[in-house]
Amino acid sequence: GENVEQHPSTLSVQEGDSAVIKCTYSDSASNYFPWYKQELGKRPQLIIDIRSNVGEKKDQRIAVTLNKTAKHFSLHITETQPEDSAVYFCAASIGANFGNEKLTFGTGTRLTIIP
Amino acid sequence: NAGVTQTPKFRVLKTGQSMTLLCAQDMNHEYMYWYRQDPGMGLRLIHYSVGEGTTAKGEVPDGYNVSRLKKQNFLLGLESAAPSQTSVYFCASSYGPVYEQYFGPGTRLTVT
Repeated sequence: GENVEQHPSTLSVQEGDSAVIKCTYSDSASNYFPWYKQELGKRPQLIIDIRSNVGEKKDQRIAVTLNKTAKHFSLHITETQPEDSAVYFCAASIGANFGNEKLTFGTGTRLTIIP
Repeated sequence: NAGVTQTPKFRVLKTGQSMTLLCAQDMNHEYMYWYRQDPGMGLRLIHYSVGEGTTAKGEVPDGYNVSRLKKQNFLLGLESAAPSQTSVYFCASSYGPVYEQYFGPGTRLTVT
């Protein structure tokens, strides 16, 4: 079936440095790519999303880039802070060609910011 | 405005027992979802609903049933619990399939 691969599974960066998480997808009809952040013991929450008609989107310290040709998209966090420590999930829409569109999630990246 | 709520928050079952998890949303969303979250596996879709009275299978539907009798509620049932169903279960709702999903606080289920 259609899937989303996410790398790396764990990432540690020094506070103030940048972090990059990458995802690839297989469904050529995918057109929506959200990123969710899940703090320890909490629910996942949307932090940024991008649609297929846009190549890049930025919101303060976070940005997402999309390469539809290569079927990959990435999350970039600049000037990392301790509160950025969390698990991040990428997702891609699948099934648009079959009338049952829904999201499929990557397996998550545990980001740790080292003070 | 409570958003998405789930009951119960925690539950321990013995193998073979049954239970129902309740999800409620007050955002008038058409779409509702049930996911399970296991270490290293991300969020896997169990069942979902595109509107009142509809349900559909997701990625891992075996051993679960669902019902959407009212637009605001989505129930997940385990008829005969198995240890493999030990997990954290999240409910979510959204305006449509390619819009933000709002998650509930989760239910931690242990099957012994």
